[in-house]
Amino acid sequence: KNQVEQSPQSLIILEGKNCTLQCNYTVSPFSNLRWYKQDTGRGPVSLTIMTFSENTKSNGRYTATLDADTKQSSLHITASQLSDSASYICVVSRGTGGFKTIFGAGTRLFVKA
Amino acid sequence: ETGVTQTPRHLVMGMTNKKSLKCEQHLGHNAMYWYKQSAKKPLELMFVYNFKEQTENNSVPSRFSPECPNSSHLFLHLHTLQPEDSALYLCASSQEPRGSSYNEQFFGPGTRLTVL
Repeated sequence: KNQVEQSPQSLIILEGKNCTLQCNYTVSPFSNLRWYKQDTGRGPVSLTIMTFSENTKSNGRYTATLDADTKQSSLHITASQLSDSASYICVVSRGTGGFKTIFGAGTRLFVKA
Repeated sequence: ETGVTQTPRHLVMGMTNKKSLKCEQHLGHNAMYWYKQSAKKPLELMFVYNFKEQTENNSVPSRFSPECPNSSHLFLHLHTLQPEDSALYLCASSQEPRGSSYNEQFFGPGTRLTVL
């Protein structure tokens, strides 16, 4: 079954600290993996996209990694800011045999001053 | 902003009411989508339109009726909803049809729907 599991479900950190969010998937065949950021009251916005051959991708203070062998991805946030408080959603796309996008339930991040 | 707008942003309706959600994209995209987002659950794809034609309906109850008059506008007509239909309804658009593996979807801010 094609699934995307994210952990933790929620996370509280202090401003300035780093954190890492996890995404495990069982989607096959794999095409690409995106991380989205969703602020409260807004729609998701894409942060990074990685294909099978890429194992890291950065966007400012956000760095995503991908291990296609173990089917795991992580999103690392460096020097967190209050504006990083949001939900982070991992999305995996299948490549063939009926293209489909599978969403994770998201990790809710709270950054405290 | 993402270039995708949705109205209204908030809607409260009774189970016997009829209402419509509107989505407009200003990006020149060909494909548009409706998603349902419930608390602590993954986004659920409801409908996909490609060049105004419906290409996907994920077993959505008939009390939800989509309409796509052109590539820039998408509606979701609601009637005789249930309290469990209360959720955030997100509209999205993309340049290519969903068959493109590297396609990015641009989301609107959503309509927060409450069914009493």
